[in-house]
Amino acid sequence: EAGVAQSPRYKIIEKRQSVAFWCNPISGHATLYWYQQILGQGPKLLIQFQNNGVVDDSQLPKDRFSAERLKGVDSTLKIQPAKLEDSAVYLCASTHRDLYNEQFFGPGTRLTVL
Amino acid sequence: EDKVVQSPLSLVVHEGDTVTLNCSYEVTNFRSLLWYKQEKKAPTFLFMLTSSGIEKKSGRLSSILDKKELSSILNITATQTGDSAIYLCAVGRGGSYIPTFGRGTSLIVHP
Repeated sequence: EAGVAQSPRYKIIEKRQSVAFWCNPISGHATLYWYQQILGQGPKLLIQFQNNGVVDDSQLPKDRFSAERLKGVDSTLKIQPAKLEDSAVYLCASTHRDLYNEQFFGPGTRLTVL
Repeated sequence: EDKVVQSPLSLVVHEGDTVTLNCSYEVTNFRSLLWYKQEKKAPTFLFMLTSSGIEKKSGRLSSILDKKELSSILNITATQTGDSAIYLCAVGRGGSYIPTFGRGTSLIVHP
């Protein structure tokens, strides 16, 4: 079974630029999560999708972050414009509809904002 | 606001030692507690706990949940250098499992 795919793996941008991350979950996994993990901290949930609907986005900074999962499969997370404090690893995870507690994580995208 | 606190934040031991990692939580509508191991990449699943007092085991690792104390421990016996990692605790709430992670415990095992 192929794992959760993410791209790019690394990205370096200047502050105020825009960036987008892509995630393709495990086939058949209805729930998809985006997390932000700042160095030295645990992952912080940004947004959770169930199919193409948003379950929770209470911690997503909506003035600069947006995410979509239009067809209920892959997803994109965008930051526009980026700030220095957005430097982090962005993790995508997915879960099977019936095993919703066990999350499978992708390799992450390491973002550096200069 | 949901809260998950892990202790200690870091731990340095020698091979063969036994370690105990702690996770305490304050979560509305608790659903489950999960432990993950994170090396230089994405977290990988270790255990899911939903019922108090039932120990989960996998090789040298074991974990148990105490819902009365709102806490869980992860034990690793006869540690090896390959156990060096960050161990994350996550607590899920609600019908759709909305997770909150702790900061993690960084474990370093010296040969």
